[in-house]
Formats: sequence, structure tokens, C-alpha cells
Amino acid sequence: EPEVTQTPSHQVTQMGQEVILRCVPISNHLYFYWYRQILGQKVEFLVSFYNNEISEKSEIFDDQFSVERPDGSNFTLKIRSTKLEDSAMYFCASSSVLVAGGSYNEQFFGPGTRLTVL
Amino acid sequence: AQSVTQLDSHVSVSEGTPVLLRCNYSSSYSPSLFWYVQHPNKGLQLLLKYISAATLVKGINGFEAEFKKSETSFHLTKPSAHMSDAAEYFCVVSVPTSGTYKYIFGTGTRLKVLA
Repeated sequence: EPEVTQTPSHQVTQMGQEVILRCVPISNHLYFYWYRQILGQKVEFLVSFYNNEISEKSEIFDDQFSVERPDGSNFTLKIRSTKLEDSAMYFCASSSVLVAGGSYNEQFFGPGTRLTVL
Repeated sequence: AQSVTQLDSHVSVSEGTPVLLRCNYSSSYSPSLFWYVQHPNKGLQLLLKYISAATLVKGINGFEAEFKKSETSFHLTKPSAHMSDAAEYFCVVSVPTSGTYKYIFGTGTRLKVLA
């Protein structure tokens, strides 16, 4: 069964450093997302991406964050200069075309990357 | 604005007894609702989804949820808890955004199953 994969599973970095979190969405999916879960808190939407551009971003997704689909398979989240409060689990998700006449799209989540900023 | 509220942050049940995890939603239109489970140090796994039509939704591992519009609820149930059900459970509503939908998560309910 196709699945979303994420690398690395755990990333440790120093404050101020740049990190890139990588995701490989399901191959025929067209919509891509990043979510964040700070330890002990709920999962929060960061950004959605379609047709090589951001569809929507939350207020969390400030200028320190960027997303890219550098090739036909990868989808990356870059944090330019990490802060302590960026420590969290980051989930990538993807979905296929919207269900015809529906009001949702089912998103498939990767296993997450745990980012620790020291 | 669309949102979900999970009424219990922690629930403890004995193995073999029923499970009830409560979720209420707020939506200005007919919502699409989901339950996800997260086992320790694992990703998010879809348990079940409500799109429309049938109000009783069956999911994996014996879980069910009933959509009650009059009560704006989407509670998750299971007749008999197993030790392996111990995990964090998230109620989710799908919200339209620019050209797609985004998920709004509840705060989660941690289920503990006692031997």
C-alpha cells in the first residue's frame, strides 16, 4: 500500500541553524501539507501546497519557513534559522484530487520528523 | 469558524470494557469529520471518517463513531477495549481552504487501558 515517507525520523540542531525536513508524498497525489505538533499539544496546520505554490499558510508559517517541491517526488519544509520553540514533531501529508461533489479530501500522513532545537 | 472540541484529555478504562471518547464539532455547514489515532512515537493513523449519508461509521480495529447533527457530536466508541488501544486519539474536522481542505485537530484524548 502506498504511503507517505519522511526523513529523517529525528533531527537535532542548534538554535539559529537551518534545517530541511523531507517528505515523499504518495506518487499520484497533488496536494501537500505540513502540520506541526509541539510536545503535549495538538496538531496544527502549517501550510498547504498545490501546483508548485502555497495554497494557504497559517500564522505559524512565518518568513523563517519555506516549502518546496524540488523534483517530482520530494516535498520539503525548510526552517531558515531555528528557534527553541520550533522543537516539535512535523508531519507531512498528501491527498489526491478532491472527491467529486465532496466536501473533504482524505489526507495521508507520514510518520513524522521529530525536530529538537538545542 | 469550524472547530472540534474533545471533552476529555484523559480516559482510563479496564481491558474488556467499553470505550467512549467524546468530540463535539462546530461548523457552519455539513462537516467532514475524522478520528485519528497516534500510538507512542508513531505517526497518525486514520481510524474512520464521516463524509455524509450514513451517520454510524465503522472504522478499523472495532471502532465506531456516530454523527449526531442535533447534538453536534461525533463520539468514538468501541465495545471492548484492548491493551493495544492505549494511544492518543484526535478528532478532526476538514475545513475548506484555498482550493483544498485543511484539517483542524482537537486537543486529543489519551486513552489508558488497565489490565
